[in-house]
Amino acid sequence: DAGVIQSPRHEVTEMGQEVTLRCKPISGHNSLFWYRQTMMRGLELLIYFNNNVPIDDSGMPEDRFSAKMPNASFSTLKIQPSEPRDSAVYFCASSTETKGEQYFGPGTRLTVT
Amino acid sequence: SQQGEEDPQALSIQEGENATMNCSYKTSINNLQWYRQNSGRGLVHLILIRSNEREKHSGRLRVTLDTSKKSSSLLITASRAADTASYFCATAKAAGNKLTFGGGTRVLVKP
Repeated sequence: DAGVIQSPRHEVTEMGQEVTLRCKPISGHNSLFWYRQTMMRGLELLIYFNNNVPIDDSGMPEDRFSAKMPNASFSTLKIQPSEPRDSAVYFCASSTETKGEQYFGPGTRLTVT
Repeated sequence: SQQGEEDPQALSIQEGENATMNCSYKTSINNLQWYRQNSGRGLVHLILIRSNEREKHSGRLRVTLDTSKKSSSLLITASRAADTASYFCATAKAAGNKLTFGGGTRVLVKP
């Protein structure tokens, strides 16, 4: 199995631009999680899905952030418009159950200038 | 404060020594998990211990759980330079459906 796949691995964009991060979970996993990691705030859960349905989006910082999971093998996290404070590493993780062990992707390092 | 908080925040040891780090939490849990993160990479699951378990081993890793004290410890025996990483505990609350991660312990193993 290829593990959780994220793209792009690095993204540099200017303030105000739209950013779309992509994730392909491990086949057969029905829970998907989006996290953000910064030095200041640590690892934060943004949103998670179970069977493609968003369960808890209380961690999404504001309306500029949105996430979708149109099918079991693909999810996106979109930031529109992006701001410098969104600069962070964004991780996607998947699991067979929401309380079980999670498998993390390599992350997307986002820099907003 | 966070559900899971690690202690110490940073640890520096010599290769061959044991490394111990602790995690404290506040509410009843279903399970507690430990993860490792190497610099610039995603987290890797190490071990899961359920609330009705007290100790678990995996290779050079030993995890204990004391639900009366709401704490867990991770012991890495005979550390190697390759064990240099950040270690995170994550708790799955008894009433809840997600993991909450602590701030992590940065471990440096000097050769």
